[in-house]
Amino acid sequence: EIVLTQSPGSLSLSPGERGTLSCRASQSVSGNSLAWYQQKPGQAPRLLIYGASSRAPDIPHRFRGSGSGTDFTLTINRVEPEDFAVYYCQQYGSSRLTFGGGTKVEIK
Amino acid sequence: QVQLQESGPGLVKTSETLSLTCTVSGVSFSSYTWSWVRQPPGKGLEWIGSISKSGGADYNPSLEGRVTISLDTSRSQFSLNLRSMAPADTAVYYCASCVHWWCLPHAFNKWGQGTMVAVSS
Repeated sequence: EIVLTQSPGSLSLSPGERGTLSCRASQSVSGNSLAWYQQKPGQAPRLLIYGASSRAPDIPHRFRGSGSGTDFTLTINRVEPEDFAVYYCQQYGSSRLTFGGGTKVEIK
Repeated sequence: QVQLQESGPGLVKTSETLSLTCTVSGVSFSSYTWSWVRQPPGKGLEWIGSISKSGGADYNPSLEGRVTISLDTSRSQFSLNLRSMAPADTAVYYCASCVHWWCLPHAFNKWGQGTMVAVSS
C-alpha cells in the first residue's frame, strides 16, 4: 500500500499570498496518477488536479499541481477567501487507492 | 447532469451490517468504475473500495473480509455492505466516481453529497 504524507498539517495564509502544499509518497506513484481535492466543511471533496499537474474543468488557474515519482506539490497562487479549506492528495496508480492526511489552509 | 445519491440508515448497531446504496443518474452507468469513500468525524478521507463495470472489485486491505460492493446495472445503482460494524466505523460515507475519460481510472470528479452513519451499542 502506498502511504501519502502531506505537509504541513496546517498553513496560515493571508489573502493574496502563495501557498505551497506537499504530498510525499512512500513509493513511486505509477503514471504520476496523483490527484488533489479541496474540501470545505459539510461538503464533499472537489477534484482540483489529476495526473499530478492537469487542472480539472472549471478550476481556476491559480491552482497548480506539479511533481512526479514520490514528491508532489499543490501551489495556490494569490489565495482568495474561498480557498480556505482542507486539501487532500490521492494516488490512483495502484488498484488500492490511498489518500493523504490533509492540509488545512487557514486565514492568517 | 451527472448525479450520485447515497441512501441508507443513519444509525446501525454494533456488530450489525451496514447497507448503503448509491443511485446514479445522467451518465451511462455501465461505462464506469464506482467507488465508496468514508470520512470519520473531523478526520481524513479513507477509500473503502471500487467496483468496475465488469463487476470486479478491489477493497481497502484494512476492511477486506468485512466489505462487499456490488452492482445493479438495471437500476443504475451500486451498493456497499459492511459487516460487523463497530463505533470506529462511524463516518460520512460517500459514493464517488470518475465519469470522464480524462480522470480515468480513479480521480473522482463526481461525488455524492455523503450520508452520515453512526454506530451505537
